[in-house]
Amino acid sequence: ETGVTQTPRHLVMGMTNKKSLKCEQHLGHNAMYWYKQSAKKPLELMFVYSLEERVENNSVPSRFSPECPNSSHLFLHLHTLQPEDSALYLCASSSSGSIFTDTQYFGPGTRLTVL
Amino acid sequence: DAKTTQPPSMDCAEGRAANLPCNHSTISGNEYVYWYRQIHSQGPQYIIHGLKNNETNEMASLIITEDRKSSTLILPHATLRDTAVYYCIVRPFRSNFGNEKLTFGTGTRLTIIP
Repeated sequence: ETGVTQTPRHLVMGMTNKKSLKCEQHLGHNAMYWYKQSAKKPLELMFVYSLEERVENNSVPSRFSPECPNSSHLFLHLHTLQPEDSALYLCASSSSGSIFTDTQYFGPGTRLTVL
Repeated sequence: DAKTTQPPSMDCAEGRAANLPCNHSTISGNEYVYWYRQIHSQGPQYIIHGLKNNETNEMASLIITEDRKSSTLILPHATLRDTAVYYCIVRPFRSNFGNEKLTFGTGTRLTIIP
């Protein structure tokens, strides 16, 4: 138990659906991250929020829309996804937004399948 | 960013030193070498970074060749918990990524043998 929770743990959606992934951290951190890990592909950073402001957007398609309403919650809104978006989506938090040296605490991930 | 080349897998006996190599022959002068590892399906864990001098912290040592074209991560006394995929990446030092695409490459899958 790392103090970072993600819901749902599994999600199956069609390409025309709209869904949201939720992440919550109980560690008092002020930076949160979304990662994508596809099968047989390297881990990929998507978004970084620091103090509820988006500080990183790693060329992610607009069909992924993050939202950080406060420092404890992070959402990833999904719409018109493609089958190749099927992956494990990991949320993480850290005490600051310095991803290179901060210890990040990861949630269990949401396994997303797009049909 | 400079590309890196790592062996896909390595084994190491428990209690021995694990030496993980990384080639980065196109590294430029302002780029640092970073090492991360990923255990199971968790996110990456920062291990160590360096520019040209050898570095050591509580987790590992980083040896960078004089021409900076390769480096070696050393885990001095490997334990079973060190079994993971180890990633070597090179990029300019900054506190955030900017708008660049960041991927961790394929890494080296290190297996510690009891």
